[in-house]
Amino acid sequence: RKEVEQDPGPFNVPEGATVAFNCTYSNSASQSFFWYRQDCRKEPKLLMSVYSSGNEDGRFTAQLNRASQYISLLIRDSKLSDSATYLCVVNEDNYGQNFVFGPGTRLSVLP
Amino acid sequence: DTAVSQTPKYLVTQMGNDKSIKCEQNLGHDTMYWYKQDSKKFLKIMFSYNNKELIINETVPNRFSPKSPDKAHLNLHINSLELGDSAVYFCASSPSGTGGPYEQYFGPGTRLTVT
Repeated sequence: RKEVEQDPGPFNVPEGATVAFNCTYSNSASQSFFWYRQDCRKEPKLLMSVYSSGNEDGRFTAQLNRASQYISLLIRDSKLSDSATYLCVVNEDNYGQNFVFGPGTRLSVLP
Repeated sequence: DTAVSQTPKYLVTQMGNDKSIKCEQNLGHDTMYWYKQDSKKFLKIMFSYNNKELIINETVPNRFSPKSPDKAHLNLHINSLELGDSAVYFCASSPSGTGGPYEQYFGPGTRLTVT
């Protein structure tokens, strides 16, 4: 199985800061890309899908570079509630059945 | 209504025992999964089923046996439990087929502790 790698973290940032996470994947045939968020002792939940043209959802912006096999997540104006582990996820097939998770990057937003 | 449910939420048992974890989804999804998240928090796929058919079977000891009685249920049976099996086990489901991308929905997890 190919791998997904992420910034090791943890990231400790003050409220209001902008923080960026990076992710690389090794399977060039990967089809879909996601950022999930996992709170402590909870299940992962979808934060956003990542599209080739880049996409934004409020304070969150995701970018995909297929040529470099690189995905990023930018969080602007960090809130305390953004503290969590952010998981980069790659779907390696055409049918939505083969997902590979990165190890996650932990973010702590400090008051 | 809970979308993906797992039972039990906590499971403490001794080495050598056999235990099962149950998972149910009411989302009408075709595909269900079992993941293991170990103490280092790395989430790794174990099995994937599509319409009751095994699709993905990662390198998992054969002490682990998934069973899907119908497409809404995927259970995990573990024989002869070992200390290294201690982890959080997550069930998930997603739609499948062409036309994605498809989001995965996770259950709350089962925290297994083997003593």
